[in-house]
Amino acid sequence: NAGVTQTPKFRILKIGQSMTLQCAQDMNHNYMYWYRQDPGMGLKLIYYSVGAGITDKGEVPNGYNVSRSTTEDFPLRLELAAPSQTSVYFCASRSPTGTGNNEQFFGPGTRLTVL
Amino acid sequence: GESVGLHLPTLSVQEGDNSIINCAYSNSASDYFIWYKQESGKGPQFIIDIRSNMDKRQGQRVTVLLNKTVKHLSLQIAATQPGDSAVYFCAEKSATDSWGKLQFGAGTQVVVTP
Repeated sequence: NAGVTQTPKFRILKIGQSMTLQCAQDMNHNYMYWYRQDPGMGLKLIYYSVGAGITDKGEVPNGYNVSRSTTEDFPLRLELAAPSQTSVYFCASRSPTGTGNNEQFFGPGTRLTVL
Repeated sequence: GESVGLHLPTLSVQEGDNSIINCAYSNSASDYFIWYKQESGKGPQFIIDIRSNMDKRQGQRVTVLLNKTVKHLSLQIAATQPGDSAVYFCAEKSATDSWGKLQFGAGTQVVVTP
């Protein structure tokens, strides 16, 4: 299994540009999450999904959108990039609650700079 | 430990010594706790977890202790090695959450010196 994969690894955007951060997992996990990590800080939840077609906002959703058309993929969309969105973005996935395994598995991250 | 702003608390440990990393959590309704290790430029990796009905759990070279009375979690690493140098995060899940959402602390930087 490749686990959780994210592309691209790095990206520089100009203010106002848009982009999609890709995330895929091959573990057949229903639950997927997007986090951002600012320098020297912990992870903050942007959006999450509990299955295909079901998404919900996390702690810091403003400026982002998500979709979940398949179990495997959970892309994160930035429509009008702002300098405040400069961060490292992590995608994670896990098995549903009650299946025994509670850990979230993380991807390697996408480092985004908005200038 | 927890941090404010850009400066992570740092724990400097000599190789071979034991490390203790502390975490104060905020929600008395949390029922699940987890420790992650994050090496520079990588995503967080699972180390160990514990449910609120336990107060201690051991893994390979790691032990997690949970004190619900004072809402404190600690991670002990035995015989610390250079490969243990990383940022360590604790995270908690509320018992009222059905979707596995985690609340992360700010992290502690562990530096292992020879």
